[in-house]
Amino acid sequence: DQQVKQNSPSLSVQEGRISILNCDYTNSMFDYFLWYKKYPAEGPTFLISISSIKDKNEDGRFTVFLNKSAKHLSLHIVPSQPGDSAVYFCAASAAGTASKLTFGTGTRLQVTL
Amino acid sequence: DAGITQSPRHKVTETGTPVTLRCHQTENHRYMYWYRQDPGHGLRLIHYSYGVKDTDKGEVSDGYSVSRSKTEDFLLTLESATSSQTSVYFCAISESQGSRAFFGQGTRLTVV
Repeated sequence: DQQVKQNSPSLSVQEGRISILNCDYTNSMFDYFLWYKKYPAEGPTFLISISSIKDKNEDGRFTVFLNKSAKHLSLHIVPSQPGDSAVYFCAASAAGTASKLTFGTGTRLQVTL
Repeated sequence: DAGITQSPRHKVTETGTPVTLRCHQTENHRYMYWYRQDPGHGLRLIHYSYGVKDTDKGEVSDGYSVSRSKTEDFLLTLESATSSQTSVYFCAISESQGSRAFFGQGTRLTVV
């Protein structure tokens, strides 16, 4: 049972345009959501997070939106740059669970010139 | 970057042999985790630790054991390696509940 789902395995976006990556979850106990970026042969690196008490969090070009009623979150990257090409993982954790993360299967973003 | 070192970075081993992967942190973080990454599955939690000598199972713990005798070190042991354990293994650390996790560079393990 996949509790965190990223239904788009890949996404291609032109440089300068907006990239929107989506994530759905089923476990209503999740209250903290994170996005990680991963380059080949490297470990995942933290990008941005959001608590369930918020519906939006921004950090520079990256914005995460959370829709709790729909159990959906999205990552917006504006403007997209070639260096953003990577695999993006959505992850979630629940309070009182030692910050254990449940990951989605990832979306490969390709930013083209 | 958080101070996390995984060793070895690459290993090829034979079916049936024991294998130990090491994770070392210099951040004094309380929580440590072992994940594996496989195509189509994202990252899945194997075991985690919430303090010295305090460990618990994750989603895919069968065939694995862990130990944490010091705050800075978290060992993952494959008791008798199988081909299904061929994977990329990531160690992660987290300072407290509800805080972000930082990941190591990964260990690519191939069981032949």
